[in-house]
Amino acid sequence: ETGVTQTPRHLVMGMTNKKSLKCEQHLGHNAMYWYKQSAKKPLELMFVYSLEERVENNSVPSRFSPECPNSSHLFLHLHTLQPEDSALYLCASSQEYRLSSYNEQFFGPGTRLTVL
Amino acid sequence: TQLLEQSPQFLSIQEGENLTVYCNSSSVFSSLQWYRQEPGEGPVLLVTVVTGGEVKKLKRLTFQFGDARKDSSLHITAAQPGDTGLYLCAGARRGSTLGRLYFGRGTQLTVWP
Repeated sequence: ETGVTQTPRHLVMGMTNKKSLKCEQHLGHNAMYWYKQSAKKPLELMFVYSLEERVENNSVPSRFSPECPNSSHLFLHLHTLQPEDSALYLCASSQEYRLSSYNEQFFGPGTRLTVL
Repeated sequence: TQLLEQSPQFLSIQEGENLTVYCNSSSVFSSLQWYRQEPGEGPVLLVTVVTGGEVKKLKRLTFQFGDARKDSSLHITAAQPGDTGLYLCAGARRGSTLGRLYFGRGTQLTVWP
């Protein structure tokens, strides 16, 4: 595997379910991100982890719970979601989470989440 | 208020036409990236520009970073159906100590055969 992978690619869940999204990066990067992409909205940054430590949490409801067990893996645990949480959830990674010349982020293919 | 404004929001053209999309801000950026995203997939990095006035070419795509590092443009020559997608610009804000990227809303490009 190369780059950033995400599983599952598609997920349908009820509002009372608990599920988890998984992200793995094979780039040797130190920073990982969760974004939410809804129709007609720009990418929304949800969480940032740098060296396995959460460094940003952008007012995300507690029904989304991230976990970063090591620098290559990132999870997003979901529980009691709402229909408005339906969106494409994207994971990304970058070399570092600090201002540098390039600040390039590399994205996974996303998980298309539908909450019924 | 969006930090990065992209225009146009939608663009529908015939194969072979040229086009330009814009990414503008009142803020200065230390670097700016362009991504292309296809339906159901994640954004794919096309290019990074870091120097004011910089021009980069990627086959039929030409990227320019404004002299003041507040804006950028993407020009596509002789567009092809394979260029169809959502084009996103993103930038790291100068003056920040962190590597957060701010994204524009994107330009949805459709190229018809």
